Amino acid sequence: KAGVTQTPRYLIKTRGQQVTLSCSPISGHRSVSWYQQTPGQGLQFLFEYFSETQRNKGNFPGRFSGRQFSNSRSEMNVSTLELGDSALYLCASSRRDYGTDTQYFGPGTRLTVL
Amino acid sequence: GDSVTQMEGPVTLSEEAFLTINCTYTATGYPSLFWYVQYPGEGLQLLLKATKADDKGSNKGFEATYRKETTSFHLEKGSVQVSDSAVYFCALSEPRNNDMRFGAGTRLTVKP
Repeated sequence: KAGVTQTPRYLIKTRGQQVTLSCSPISGHRSVSWYQQTPGQGLQFLFEYFSETQRNKGNFPGRFSGRQFSNSRSEMNVSTLELGDSALYLCASSRRDYGTDTQYFGPGTRLTVL
Repeated sequence: GDSVTQMEGPVTLSEEAFLTINCTYTATGYPSLFWYVQYPGEGLQLLLKATKADDKGSNKGFEATYRKETTSFHLEKGSVQVSDSAVYFCALSEPRNNDMRFGAGTRLTVKP
């Protein structure tokens, strides 16, 4: 079974721009979660999508948004980029049929904001 | 809220040494507990998990036991190898949501 894939792997943007990251979950997984990883803050939860609906959201400003498509693929958008948005963005998928389920992570997209 | 605390790194060991990375948690419910490993330039890989008290997760020689009485999930390996060098994350997830909470990570370096 193919793992979680994320595109692109690397991005360089300038302040004020916007960016869209893509995540394709493991086949059959309907839940996709996004995380931000930085040296200072560690791994922080952004949001979770399940069956095209945002089900849970972390403590991030509204500049961070996402969506999920009917095939469970998900995109994350960051508008008006700031220097502090430079990070590794990780996507994780799970079946999430019931209760807690193991999340499987993709390789991440490394975003650099100049 | 729920949180995970794991021992500060970095940890440097010689090959074949015994490894312990401490992890304790705070949770309001009955979380599942996980250890993930991250190699340079990669995402997180699930190493092992435990879903209820007294469960032992194991994989690739690593073990951790879910201890409810001490709210701990310490990672152990009897004999580390150079290839085990990586960053290790302890995490928890409550049944009611998929908001996984991670510890700060512990960098392990194993020297030949």
